[in-house]
Amino acid sequence: DTEVTQTPKHLVMGMTNKKSLKCEQHMGHRAMYWYKQKAKKPPELMFVYSYEKLSINESVPSRFSPECPNSSLLNLHLHALQPEDSALYLCASSQEGWGEQFFGPGTRLTVL
Amino acid sequence: QKEVEQNSGPLSVPEGAIASLNCTYSDRGSQSFFWYRQYSGKSPELIMSIYSNGDKEDGRFTAQLNKASQYVSLLIRDSQPSDSATYLCAVRMDSSYKLIFGSGTRLLVRP
Repeated sequence: DTEVTQTPKHLVMGMTNKKSLKCEQHMGHRAMYWYKQKAKKPPELMFVYSYEKLSINESVPSRFSPECPNSSLLNLHLHALQPEDSALYLCASSQEGWGEQFFGPGTRLTVL
Repeated sequence: QKEVEQNSGPLSVPEGAIASLNCTYSDRGSQSFFWYRQYSGKSPELIMSIYSNGDKEDGRFTAQLNKASQYVSLLIRDSQPSDSATYLCAVRMDSSYKLIFGSGTRLLVRP
């Protein structure tokens, strides 16, 4: 089973709101990722967790705050976002940091 | 600056033809190579991975890797309209968690 799930599928939020994106995998993978994808662009890495520890932060603004509560879950907390943050947010996981990455279906975020 | 280059397309082929998608990369330390398919509005789906020089076949898909030329390709045999999508090439350097994606090639298979 190569399934990564993400909730919600769609999210509309104002610039003063606080919301969270959730990602879950039950494949026993030890690395999890957050990507951001704008229209007609490739995915852009934001964060990497390995064995529940943050190992890469690609200089992402602090209004994005990742959290890895356990090896199966990954959250992305959002606060005071800007309209330009509107994008498809993708979660991925891999067995180890060098393995094949499998993407979830994504959350389509619109910031008004 | 480590780069992965793809022709943006669209690459248009008739149904039943072979589609050939190409990708070049700049970093000689790259060790892992992946092809993802992405339908409009959907997330990327892994279709092939390749780690050593040569060909790797999976059904209608063949990935080819030439590390000396820093070149990786994806062949799709008997192309179907359902293969119409954007194909993303992704490269990982040795001992790095980070995938570097190309900008993607849009493939259009004409019925």
